[in-house]
Amino acid sequence: ILNVEQSPQSLHVQEGDSTNFTCSFPSSNFYALHWYRWETAKSPEALFVMTLNGDEKKKGRISATLNTKEGYSYLYIKGSQPEDSATYLCAPTYAGNNRKLIWGLGTSLAVNP
Amino acid sequence: EAGVAQSPRYKIIEKRQSVAFWCNPISGHATLYWYQQILGQGPKLLIQFQNNGVVDDSQLPKDRFSAERLKGVDSTLKIQPAKLEDSAVYLCASSPRDYTTRDTQYFGPGTRLTVL
Repeated sequence: ILNVEQSPQSLHVQEGDSTNFTCSFPSSNFYALHWYRWETAKSPEALFVMTLNGDEKKKGRISATLNTKEGYSYLYIKGSQPEDSATYLCAPTYAGNNRKLIWGLGTSLAVNP
Repeated sequence: EAGVAQSPRYKIIEKRQSVAFWCNPISGHATLYWYQQILGQGPKLLIQFQNNGVVDDSQLPKDRFSAERLKGVDSTLKIQPAKLEDSAVYLCASSPRDYTTRDTQYFGPGTRLTVL
């Protein structure tokens, strides 16, 4: 059974704070890592897909890094805004597992104005 | 480009009743997924189609759940009969299943099912 862990489970920050979350996953047979943002009452939205060790991706104030050898990824949000409030989910995929997404439970972020 | 469409958005039924959900994926996406997401848990893959063939249905409770994808486009997911524990958000996603996107999935708005 592939276990994906995300921490913290939830986070409350003030507007303007920078924050980061962790996604830990088994590194054997790793294929890609996906980050999604899921706002309440909306569809999960793809943020990044990362494949190579040392990869860094950036989208506006959000960035992510990847370490495939030790099996973790960090998601950073710089200068959090209330509209960043959402659940952030990571999901690795693996070769030979039909490349299906193995979902973590997510980190729930609340940004107070 | 139009996104993944799902209907209905909300459904309330009593236990032992039947319910069906519909999904229209992004045009040209070969792979279609149905997920069940229970509050506080990550999405659980129920079934994955590649065109109109089933690739993975290992977590589909086949005694009560069924799904089909006719002509490799639209899909329906049915529950018959529903149980209280089926209350969840049912998400449909599609993927172009190509190397450049590494199987990024694009999600519909979901159907929130409440079983009373």
